[in-house]
Amino acid sequence: KAGVTQTPRYLIKTRGQQVTLSCSPISGHRSVSWYQQTPGQGLQFLFEYFSETQRNKGNFPGRFSGRQFSNSRSEMNVSTLELGDSALYLCASSLASAGGYTEAFFGQGTRLTVV
Amino acid sequence: KNQVEQSPQSLIILEGKNCTLQCNYTVSPFSNLRWYKQDTGRGPVSLTIMTFSENTKSNGRYTATLDADTKQSSLHITASQLSDSASYICVVSADSGNTPLVFGKGTRLSVIA
Repeated sequence: KAGVTQTPRYLIKTRGQQVTLSCSPISGHRSVSWYQQTPGQGLQFLFEYFSETQRNKGNFPGRFSGRQFSNSRSEMNVSTLELGDSALYLCASSLASAGGYTEAFFGQGTRLTVV
Repeated sequence: KNQVEQSPQSLIILEGKNCTLQCNYTVSPFSNLRWYKQDTGRGPVSLTIMTFSENTKSNGRYTATLDADTKQSSLHITASQLSDSASYICVVSADSGNTPLVFGKGTRLSVIA
């Protein structure tokens, strides 16, 4: 059974550019959540998608957006990149909502560096 | 405000020794508590998940405890190995609805020979 796949694994972008990250969940999982992880803040919740609908959103500016496709694959977009956006971006997939008693499986993450 | 606090921030122990990591939470209403292990540069991997009715849960050398009354949890690692070096993250789920998971900042464990 394939795990959660995130692409690309590493990315270097310049300030002001935009970036799109991809997450393919485990087959059959309908929920995909995105997190930003930095050394000082730990994992911060970005948003969750379930069956192509955004279910929850964290406290991030509108530059961070996402979507989910009918095959449950999800993309996250960050526009007008800032140096502070440098982080490990993780996605997690689960059968149902990420909350509740349902296991969440994480991908390996995309390491984004903004220079 | 829903919060998860972990202690210590970091810990260094000798190979073969035991250690205990702590987690205090103020998440309400409580649904379940999870412990994840995260190796450097990789995604977190689930170790245990417990509901309020479960006091103890084991996964090999890892044993998690939960006291829902005091809102505390601990993760005990027995006979540590070098491969246990990682960050251990406590995560609490509020209710069983649509609210997202609440993450602690983790404890960085280093096991040395």
